[in-house]
Amino acid sequence: EVKLVESGGDLVQPGRSLRLSCAASGFKFDDYAFFWVRQAPGKGLEWVSGLNWNSAKTAYADSVRGRFTISRDNAKNSVYLQMNSLRPEDTAFYYCSRGRTRRIVGPTSSDSWGQGTLVTVSS
Amino acid sequence: DIQMTQSPSTLSASVGDRVTITCRASQSISKWLAWYQQRPGKAPKLLIYEASSLESGVPSRFSGSGSGTEFTLTISSLQPDDFATYYCQQYYTYPITFGQGTRLDIK
Repeated sequence: EVKLVESGGDLVQPGRSLRLSCAASGFKFDDYAFFWVRQAPGKGLEWVSGLNWNSAKTAYADSVRGRFTISRDNAKNSVYLQMNSLRPEDTAFYYCSRGRTRRIVGPTSSDSWGQGTLVTVSS
Repeated sequence: DIQMTQSPSTLSASVGDRVTITCRASQSISKWLAWYQQRPGKAPKLLIYEASSLESGVPSRFSGSGSGTEFTLTISSLQPDDFATYYCQQYYTYPITFGQGTRLDIK
């Protein structure tokens, strides 16, 4: 069974940093791309960042480029989102998702999602 | 960035109805479009990928069509579980973008 579990969400002050983790299990981790998608309370889905299967390609939304960094550790079957210089508008549930297509360089749809972790940025 | 526009934003329907949701892209995305269902408090669920391919395990009452800039999601006969919010997503190029969502309510 494919399973993705996010962790690391917290209440933080503006300007501070936070690192989210996504632990994966039930499949061959290093064949897949991963994405982070966020959803502010009561709002729609916003794609945040993506990382392809071999870490050769990363991509970011304009709203987070330069502040957020996506990475992966294939030995730990985990994906991370390092979030720096956090702003109140970054407040959201953050979902980790798996790319549907194996070993793809570019973007793909997401066929598995975690349950989300809540990040609240407020003083 | 490619803008995705869904219509309508809200749709009221009854069990057994046939409903269609439209998604328009601001430029051609070929067939690189997905549809997701999201129930309150839950993660999104992939329904359709590559515009018209049904994800494994998804009921056949869901179907997708379109290419280029115009796409539709059709639910042939609404079931109680289908009342949720639906999002389209383009993955033709980065940044990936979503439509604003269509909330499907019980009439």
